[in-house]
Amino acid sequence: GAGVSQTPSNKVTEKGKYVELRCDPISGHTALYWYRQSLGQGPEFLIYFQGTGAADDSGLPNDRFFAVRPEGSVSTLKIQRTERGDSAVYLCASSPGGATEAFFGQGTRLTVV
Amino acid sequence: AQTVTQSQPEMSVQEAETVTLSCTYDTSESDYYLFWYKQPPSRQMILVIRQEAYKQQNATENRFSVNFQKAAKSFSLKISDSQLGDAAMYFCAYRSPGAGNMLTFGGGTRLMVKP
Repeated sequence: GAGVSQTPSNKVTEKGKYVELRCDPISGHTALYWYRQSLGQGPEFLIYFQGTGAADDSGLPNDRFFAVRPEGSVSTLKIQRTERGDSAVYLCASSPGGATEAFFGQGTRLTVV
Repeated sequence: AQTVTQSQPEMSVQEAETVTLSCTYDTSESDYYLFWYKQPPSRQMILVIRQEAYKQQNATENRFSVNFQKAAKSFSLKISDSQLGDAAMYFCAYRSPGAGNMLTFGGGTRLMVKP
């Protein structure tokens, strides 16, 4: 696609439910990143994929959070047993790899009620 | 760990005037990259300008320029001839070399442009 696509744009879920957030990177981009942006703050790094493997998952806050990228393209961020504190905008970015610019999607706004 | 600080939660500028947004960072590395991103209400982060730490010359992109002071660990963004479309959140970000594109962001500055 022309840009990084994230779906859904908005998601409202009940506390305790499971959610999946999807990211379609720019075609051919080998690197993919997830960030979380809480209200009024800057984005915080969650996880980085190079190809299919997670090169760095040091930003995942706890074991309720998990992400996959099985074919090295689309990635899914999975959150189990959601909590109200998980409410945030989840941003995805991709890049061709190496020290080049990362391109961001428009994010998914997750609201846990 | 690196930290990025933006001390101005909000800034306001008159259309056609110049405004400077501040950013400081803390690092023990000698080589790194610095960025300014714009985030409009659409939420998409848009790269405004980047600076490589090994370059002494300040980066410029049309109406946007930076004042990079490596010793002071300061990286401010100057917007000249401000336009209504410049109104947005602006984030300063740091990236280590060899760390892919993992970015450490500051807390952001909301820029308002008055007509």
